Amino acid sequence: GAVVSQHPSRVICKSGTSVKIECRSLDFQATTMFWYRQFPKQSLMLMATSNEGSKATYEQGVEKDKFLINHASLTLSTLTVTSAHPEDSSFYICSGRGGGELFFGEGSRLTVL
Amino acid sequence: GNSVTQMEGPVTLSEEAFLTINCTYTATGYPSLFWYVQYPGEGLQLLLKATKADDKGSNKGFEATYRKETTSFHLEKGSVQVSDSAVYFCALSFDQFYFGTGTSLTVIP
Repeated sequence: GAVVSQHPSRVICKSGTSVKIECRSLDFQATTMFWYRQFPKQSLMLMATSNEGSKATYEQGVEKDKFLINHASLTLSTLTVTSAHPEDSSFYICSGRGGGELFFGEGSRLTVL
Repeated sequence: GNSVTQMEGPVTLSEEAFLTINCTYTATGYPSLFWYVQYPGEGLQLLLKATKADDKGSNKGFEATYRKETTSFHLEKGSVQVSDSAVYFCALSFDQFYFGTGTSLTVIP
């Protein structure tokens, strides 16, 4: 199946700093990518839909100025958590849509100290 | 609206036991249905899918049948292994994906 690569898999940062997470579709072109957040023992919460060449669409309650999404090419979308705080600590997962399926990255665990 | 309801876990089974994880959906139309699996510390992987009524998806001994009359897509496996321990997500898809809350499965030797 198609492969989506997410990097970094783990990141620890200090409060107030910004962190960038990359999501790449390795063997297909993803005009649309999705960013999810997953809290411990809970389901996936869709944060935003990233569209290549245009602005991301954010779900209700997600701060677009805190979670910056850029989809500069058909194979790369980035999520930047700006001015991170401990409550932003979570597991972030990206996915790309290809052939009617969703292919997920491995996830990035962010810990903000 | 569109939504997915999954049986709540956690589920704990002995090795070689029979597994059923219930999933029902509400949808305005006929979506595609999926089961995804998440192993500890990893992202989600597609386990199986069905795109129309009466389709049966199968993979790695797991099966699920798209039942339009009961709006269900229950996941089954005849004999679970320790390596099946994971969280399982049921999902439906139209323009976007809608996920259930996930069911944690632990298989003990």
